[in-house]
Order: sequence, then structure tokens, then C-alpha cells
Amino acid sequence: DAMVIQNPRYQVTQFGKPVTLSCSQTLNHNVMYWYQQKSSQAPKLLFHYYDKDFNNEADTPDNFQSRRPNTSFCFLDIRSPGLGDAAMYLCATSDRGLVRQPQHFGDGTRLSIL
Amino acid sequence: GENVEQHPSTLSVQEGDSAVIKCTYSDSASNYFPWYKQELGKRPQLIIDIRSNVGEKKDQRIAVTLNKTAKHFSLHITETQPEDSAVYFCAASIPSNTGKLIFGQGTTLQVKP
Repeated sequence: DAMVIQNPRYQVTQFGKPVTLSCSQTLNHNVMYWYQQKSSQAPKLLFHYYDKDFNNEADTPDNFQSRRPNTSFCFLDIRSPGLGDAAMYLCATSDRGLVRQPQHFGDGTRLSIL
Repeated sequence: GENVEQHPSTLSVQEGDSAVIKCTYSDSASNYFPWYKQELGKRPQLIIDIRSNVGEKKDQRIAVTLNKTAKHFSLHITETQPEDSAVYFCAASIPSNTGKLIFGQGTTLQVKP
């Protein structure tokens, strides 16, 4: 059973048209991450939440925003997508306790920009 | 900040041979080192991980070794099979509230039948 669920799997949007990607989890993990991955490159961390605390990476463009309304859901908003934002977007979760736990990835959303 | 270097970028082996992928990290505070396998168009999947309090861990055909003094860790796959063909990523994590991972650049492994 999928534990980190991303919707949709494929998203097509127009240049400059806002788009929202969603992620949900059934693991009750307290940390959720959003990554951008381009053509077999390593996943690039955009931001992450530890519970409700938001942590933005220094080089994440202002065009990217995130919301985490509750433990189970996290959203990635791209306010004005450009051609360079076409990529796979991966959501991951982990349980940050006393002992480091692995990150569990969703299947990703592949975003195309027309 | 932490930096992880991964080598080689591509690796081609014959079925049945062993494959070794190496990573080095810069931050001596790093204490958690996972390895992910990513098949084309699929999500990264954790295949093995190691914490800094051990030097080696094995799971069937897969093993990881860690040398904290030299700050490097390696993935070893024995008796490779065509289904091992994928991109492999190493990563390192420093103690923090959020478990942020720093990934290596990835290794494309091709196992020829």
C-alpha cells in the first residue's frame, strides 16, 4: 500500500499559470520534504516542514511556496511556472525521533510546462 | 555546509560481477548514510542505510561500509543481476531536528546480461 501519495502523477500547465501539487501520507511522520529532480540528477531539496515549522533552502526560488495544513498533507505551489521548472517533484517523509529514520518517497509528480 | 561526492557517475558490469560505488562527505558530524535506488521514472527507494556507530552492514547481496576517519562510505553489490540496473544515490545527514539529506550526484549502473 502506498504510504506517501502524490497527486497528480502527471501535471501539465501553461507558462506562468499557477499550479499546485499535493502530497499526503499515512505514516504520521512529523517531517515532510519537497524535492525537485531533473533528468537523473540528484533530488534537490526545496523546503521541508518539521511539524508546522517551515524550513526553506537558501537557493529555493521565491516562485515556490509550500503549505502544510495538517500532519497528513503538504502542498507545493508554483506561482508562475517557467520552462525551467519542468521536472519531477518528489515528496518525502520521515519520522524525526531520537534515532535517525530514513526518508520515504512518493512516486512523484512530473510537471510539464507548455 | 555538508557536501557529498559520488563516483563513478556511470558503471557497467557483466551479470554476476560485483559493483562498487563510493561516496565521500565533508562534514565529520554526519551520522547517517542511506543509499537509494531509482529506476527510470520511479521514486527513489531505500535499499540500505548505515549509522555512524557501525562500520559495515549487509543485506543479502548488498553491503555498505563506512570509514569515519576517511569520511567515505561505499555500496557493494555482489552477483549483480540485470534488475540491479538503475541510478544509485548515496546521501549523508547531520544531526538536526529535520533529518535533511545531502545527496551525491548519482551513479548509473548498467548490468549486462
